[in-house]
Amino acid sequence: AQSVTQPDIHITVSEGASLELRCNYSYGATPYLFWYVQSPGQGLQLLLKYFSGDTLVQGIKGFEAEFKRSQSSFNLRKPSVHWSDAAEYFCAVGAWAAGNKLTFGGGTRVLVKP
Amino acid sequence: DGGITQSPKYLFRKEGQNVTLSCEQNLNHDAMYWYRQDPGQGLRLIYYSQIVNDFQKGDIAEGYSVSREKKESFPLTVTSAQKNPTAFYLCASSINRDTQYFGPGTRLTVL
Repeated sequence: AQSVTQPDIHITVSEGASLELRCNYSYGATPYLFWYVQSPGQGLQLLLKYFSGDTLVQGIKGFEAEFKRSQSSFNLRKPSVHWSDAAEYFCAVGAWAAGNKLTFGGGTRVLVKP
Repeated sequence: DGGITQSPKYLFRKEGQNVTLSCEQNLNHDAMYWYRQDPGQGLRLIYYSQIVNDFQKGDIAEGYSVSREKKESFPLTVTSAQKNPTAFYLCASSINRDTQYFGPGTRLTVL
């Protein structure tokens, strides 16, 4: 069975600083990987996804993520954080062979200091 | 506009009551999903459906039931057998083997 670990529960970053959120996955086959963002009391919005090809993936809102098979990681990065980036971020791995099920990590809450 | 709607936004349930959460999509997606979200635990899959009139249990299906009579609709019933139903419930849909898109969620509170 697949699993996803987001080691950091909370991260505080200053506005304008860089941000990196860690994601490690466990999956026996080729993973399909996603990052979603959630504002308080809202649904999840897709930031980016990796299915195949270039291991550096560009997403919306200036985010990017890099797939590293050797490290089983899919870390999310942003060079310069804006106050509006304060939210909770979820990494997920998809299992197409099992009915397109998504397994989510526990999330990382990002706080942005002015 | 295409999208996923969930209603109501807030729902209160008394002990022993069944309640039904609505999820509708006009994206023409084949597959639909229900997730439960608790603080610090990410999202957990309750039920999913890949085609009309068919659905499968997810990881935490006990105390829940669903139906899929129309492609656009996938209602979730939280039964009295669900011992701890207070949570945020999210519905999603996808074209099979592709990205899942989420609705705005329903917050259920047991009084």
